[in-house]
Amino acid sequence: SAVISQKPSRDICQRGTSLTIQCQVDSQVTMMFWYRQQPGQSLTLIATANQGSEATYESGFVIDKFPISRPNLTFSTLTVSNMSPEDSSIYLCSAEWVQREYRNEQFFGPGTRLTVL
Amino acid sequence: SQQGEEDPQALSIQEGENATMNCSYKTSINNLQWYRQNSGRGLVHLILIRSNEREKHSGRLRVTLDTSKKSSSLLITASRAADTASYFCATEYSNSGYALNFGKGTSLLVTP
Repeated sequence: SAVISQKPSRDICQRGTSLTIQCQVDSQVTMMFWYRQQPGQSLTLIATANQGSEATYESGFVIDKFPISRPNLTFSTLTVSNMSPEDSSIYLCSAEWVQREYRNEQFFGPGTRLTVL
Repeated sequence: SQQGEEDPQALSIQEGENATMNCSYKTSINNLQWYRQNSGRGLVHLILIRSNEREKHSGRLRVTLDTSKKSSSLLITASRAADTASYFCATEYSNSGYALNFGKGTSLLVTP
């Protein structure tokens, strides 16, 4: 299976600040996504990270709050802006190889555990 | 909104017993995937079953899919304490390409 890494693995931040989370995949992928998992909850899709263009956001998530970049086929960043305690969650990136033997299988990074004080 | 719904929400069994978790979904799917998550860490991909498949095995895991009932089940045989985790089913979003829609998960506790 693919190797997906995220940095940082965890962070504690102050209200009003921003944090950028990095996601690195060990080979070129077709699709990359960002999810949020609030405490005790399931995963919710934030956006699809599109290579070379603006991300596609789900209802309830906006670019000003969660800007996303994907400059190439192996790397993406998610920024959580102007943080509040409600942003405390685990943020996970995932990747999918549409044309490989793992077709349609989506693999996840280890997650970034964010606590906002 | 979440498409998948796991049942039960929590399951407690002893080592050696089998654990069965169920997942129901609402709309037509191309495939359904099962994941495991240990203590709020990253998700581990377990099995993908396509809409034209009825059953799939991987080691001690057995997944079934009934598209007529819009349901799937995950069976873990001869469970071990290391199987203690949350298990999620996920189906593809219809409007977001290959992005996944997750159920609420089943929390499995396996005691020695």
